Formats: sequence, C-alpha cells, structure tokens
Amino acid sequence: DTEVTQTPKHLVMGMTNKKSLKCEQHMGHRAMYWYKQKAKKPPELMFVYSYEKLSINESVPSRFSPECPNSSLLNLHLHALQPEDSALYLCASSQVQGRGRNTGELFFGEGSRLTVL
Amino acid sequence: AQSVAQPEDQVNVAEGNPLTVKCTYSVSGNPYLFWYVQYPNRGLQFLLKYITGDNLVKGSYGFEAEFNKSQTSFHLKKPSALVSDSALYFCAVRAYSSASKIIFGSGTRLSIRP
Repeated sequence: DTEVTQTPKHLVMGMTNKKSLKCEQHMGHRAMYWYKQKAKKPPELMFVYSYEKLSINESVPSRFSPECPNSSLLNLHLHALQPEDSALYLCASSQVQGRGRNTGELFFGEGSRLTVL
Repeated sequence: AQSVAQPEDQVNVAEGNPLTVKCTYSVSGNPYLFWYVQYPNRGLQFLLKYITGDNLVKGSYGFEAEFNKSQTSFHLKKPSALVSDSALYFCAVRAYSSASKIIFGSGTRLSIRP
C-alpha cells in the first residue's frame, strides 16, 4: 500500500481539454515530484517542489503546469496536450535531503495513466 | 554529472535459484544508491538504499545489495528467487548534494520461471 495517493487512476482527454492530476501525501514530506513514465522506460523527472516552492523544472512544455497549494498536495494542470504526452504520470514525495540527515529516497504513488486522443 | 547503468534489459532465473541484477554508477563524491521495484501498472516501490557503512545492505522482500566502491557497482541480489519477484527493477543514484536529483537506470525486467 502506498502513502502517496494519486487521482484519477486513468484519464482520457482530447487535445483541447483542460484537466488536472492530483497527488496527496500525509508523511510530512516537504519535497514533492512529478515524473513521466513511458512504457518499459525509467521515470523522467518533470518538476520538483521543495517547501511548496518550485525548485526544478526540467524544461517541461508549458502545456503542463504544476501547482503546490500546501505541503500535502501537488497538482498537475494539463491543457492542449499532444498524443505523445500519453504516459503514466507518477507523483512522489521525500524528505528534503539534508547534510547526512536523510537521503531523500522517493515514495511513489500508483500513478495516473493518461491517454491523449 | 551523475549517471547509472543497468547493462541487462532482462534477467531470467528459475524459481529457487539465486538472482543478481546488475547496476553500475558514476557520481562525483559519495553516492546515495537505491533500488526500486515496479509491478505492472503500478508506481515504484522503494526496496533498499546504501548511504555509508556496511557494504551489504538488506531491504524488503529478502533482497539485498552489495556496494563495491572500486567497481562503482551496486548489484541487487536474492539467495532464492520467487515467481512473485518477477517485475521491473530500477537502480538509482543521488549525489551527496542538496541540489542533486535522483537519476534512474534504464531498468531490468526480472522474470522468474516456476
């Protein structure tokens, strides 16, 4: 069982739609992440939030818009996506990596499988 | 720059036999090393990590991994494989730096035959 909850589990959308993916964790983690994973490939980092502020954007197209309303929630807003954006979107959280105090291993949700028609 | 390599796309093992999934890494300074497992249509689950200290680390589901600094390797092992161990395994590395990211290897599909 995962302590990171993602909704919805499946989403089908057209290229003109606006939708959102949601992620929630209650482990007290102050770092949250969005990853994109294509079939049989490793997860690719998209965004990192640290203490509710965006700290890393891996040059993701603006049709993906992240939001971190509070320390437990992370959203990914989707607009005007392309069929090649179809993938499994994984949310993860971790303690913020400190000097020797923690290693920042990630805890993943089950993912939201997105299909863009 | 940091990187991690998993040289085998697939590993096939008979149930009850020992298994090894290979991983090598490249990072400046001391690494943090991780293994994750992914079952079909699921998220990644943390298995184990190496920080410092004993080179043999034990993790979930009877898995262990051996850190070898001279060979820059962190191979995943299990003495006796189960059919339920069949899944996709990812090695990952993070540099000892507050600004570093976790980098994943390409993944190895482990198939355990009865």
